[in-house]
Amino acid sequence: GAVVSQHPSWVICKSGTSVKIECRSLDFQATTMFWYRQFPKQSLMLMATSNEGSKATYEQGVEKDKFLINHASLTLSTLTVTSAHPEDSSFYICSARDRSKETQYFGPGTRLLVL
Amino acid sequence: GNSVTQMEGPVTLSEEAFLTINCTYTATGYPSLFWYVQYPGEGLQLLLKATKADDKGSNKGFEATYRKETTSFHLEKGSVQVSDSAVYFCALTGNTGNQFYFGTGTSLTVIP
Repeated sequence: GAVVSQHPSWVICKSGTSVKIECRSLDFQATTMFWYRQFPKQSLMLMATSNEGSKATYEQGVEKDKFLINHASLTLSTLTVTSAHPEDSSFYICSARDRSKETQYFGPGTRLLVL
Repeated sequence: GNSVTQMEGPVTLSEEAFLTINCTYTATGYPSLFWYVQYPGEGLQLLLKATKADDKGSNKGFEATYRKETTSFHLEKGSVQVSDSAVYFCALTGNTGNQFYFGTGTSLTVIP
């Protein structure tokens, strides 16, 4: 079946640094990828929609200058958390839409801890 | 707008008990409905889905029926196992199939 990978799976960083998370569709092309954030014991909240070759669309309340999204190719989207703070600690999950099947697949998630 | 409401947990059951997790939705048009499962420390895994009214999705002994008249998609399993312990999310996608709308999740713990 279709696979979406995320890298890294775990990251710990110091406050004030930037962290890049990669989301890759391994065996299909994804014109659209989505970034979600999940707080402990809560549901997933959509942060932004990433479209290949164009600017991401951010949900209300999500700072686009803090969460930089780049969808550089049909198989890769990156989320960069800039100047990270402890409150950015969370579980970040991406999903990718297989344009040939109109089906979405979720990545395994990246756990970010900012000290 | 689109939204999903699912029963709050946590739910604790004994092994071999019957499971029901309620899920109702609000949507414009004709959404597709999903159940996802999240094991501790892991991402989401698709458990089952239904794309139109009266469809029944099933997988690993779990099943859910798309009920348009009651706007529901309740998850059921006849006999749960310890390995079913996880958080279960009900979700829908709208007409475009792009954005997912998730319920708040229901934590299930199955004890031997």
